[in-house]
Amino acid sequence: EPEVTQTPSHQVTQMGQEVILRCVPISNHLYFYWYRQILGQKVEFLVSFYNNEISEKSEIFDDQFSVERPDGSNFTLKIRSTKLEDSAMYFCATAGGRGRDTQYFGPGTRLTVL
Amino acid sequence: AQKVTQAQTEISVVEKEDVTLDCVYETRDTTYYLFWYKQPPSGELVFLIRRNSFDEQNEISGRYSWNFQKSTSSFNFTITASQVVDSAVYFCALILAWMDSSYKLIFGSGTRLLVRP
Repeated sequence: EPEVTQTPSHQVTQMGQEVILRCVPISNHLYFYWYRQILGQKVEFLVSFYNNEISEKSEIFDDQFSVERPDGSNFTLKIRSTKLEDSAMYFCATAGGRGRDTQYFGPGTRLTVL
Repeated sequence: AQKVTQAQTEISVVEKEDVTLDCVYETRDTTYYLFWYKQPPSGELVFLIRRNSFDEQNEISGRYSWNFQKSTSSFNFTITASQVVDSAVYFCALILAWMDSSYKLIFGSGTRLLVRP
């Protein structure tokens, strides 16, 4: 069964450093999302991406964040200058063209900012 | 405003007990989808079920059943004869499905279910 994959599974970085989180969507999916879950809290929407552009972003998704699909397969989330409060689990989710109402999640990347 | 409320923060049951997880949602939109996701201790989010706002039929899948009631804006989840492997955090979520919607998921705060042997 096709699945969403994410790399790395765990990233440790120093405050102020740039990180790039990668996601490989299910192959025929067209809608891409990033969500964040701070430890012990609920899952929060960051950004949605369709047709090579952002369709919606939350107030969390400020100028330090960016997304792109550089090679038509990987979907990346970049944080330019990480802060301590960026420490969280980051989930990529994708949805298909016909059934975009159901999102399938990757296993997540745990980001730890020191 | 759109919102999903899961009032039960944590539930503890003994194996083989039935347990119901509550979910109440708020939206003024008439077209939406409701979901349940499971997050086991390993951390991934596992899709369990989707219901659209026009389909109030209850659904059963094995030991799992879902009760959707628009009149009370609730979408409750029952596990029958719970097992230790059911121990996880369960999230209820909402998607608003108007034409220009991004279809982002709006999550509740989750209910942690602990099933003791």
